[in-house]
Amino acid sequence: EADIYQTPRYLVIGTGKKITLECSQTMGHDKMYWYQQDPGMELHLIHYSYGVNSTEKGDLSSESTVSRIRTEHFPLTLESARPSHTSQYLCASSIPRPGWANEKLFFGSGTQLSVL
Amino acid sequence: AQKITQTQPGMFVQEKEAVTLDCTYDTSDQSYGLFWYKQPSSGEMIFLIYQGSYDEQNATEGRYSLNFQKARKSANLVISASQLGDSAMYFCAMREGYNQGGKLIFGQGTELSVKP
Repeated sequence: EADIYQTPRYLVIGTGKKITLECSQTMGHDKMYWYQQDPGMELHLIHYSYGVNSTEKGDLSSESTVSRIRTEHFPLTLESARPSHTSQYLCASSIPRPGWANEKLFFGSGTQLSVL
Repeated sequence: AQKITQTQPGMFVQEKEAVTLDCTYDTSDQSYGLFWYKQPSSGEMIFLIYQGSYDEQNATEGRYSLNFQKARKSANLVISASQLGDSAMYFCAMREGYNQGGKLIFGQGTELSVKP
């Protein structure tokens, strides 16, 4: 199984602050993803990357940005946090497999963000 | 249009009994993959089972099996001999559209509660 780590686990901040949510994986996976999840709701893809220097926006519009300078690291940044950004953010990674459809995602434990 | 539909927001099952969680999907692709993930209250997403669109047999993983009915576009999860630790949110997900990057799309989830 993949080892994928997210920090912090919980974050409470004030409006207007700049924050970075960290995500690292130790398995050398090329593909990494950020999902946003409101309580009891489905996951929405907000960013993904297929390798170093590759980043794409997901299906849900987000004011956050991401970078992928190293394979193992995929941080998510909010330049100016607002209460509407309050949510859980889940990072995931996957490794390409023959038969692309069966790639499974390995998830981190998530960051629960609360913006006051 | 909703790609993945889980019509049961909440389900209850008695310990040691079997339970079926419903999932229907919508795609025009011939090649796609279907997944089930479990999300305990701790927040992480745990992969349970995978079914490919071309797989002729239903997938099984221990106490989990996937009842795949392609013509009806349904991929129900069956959990046999429920345990208290099965209490969690369960998400059905689909990967389609190889040319679109094959992103994983999640349903709204079903909250399963196992009673002792």
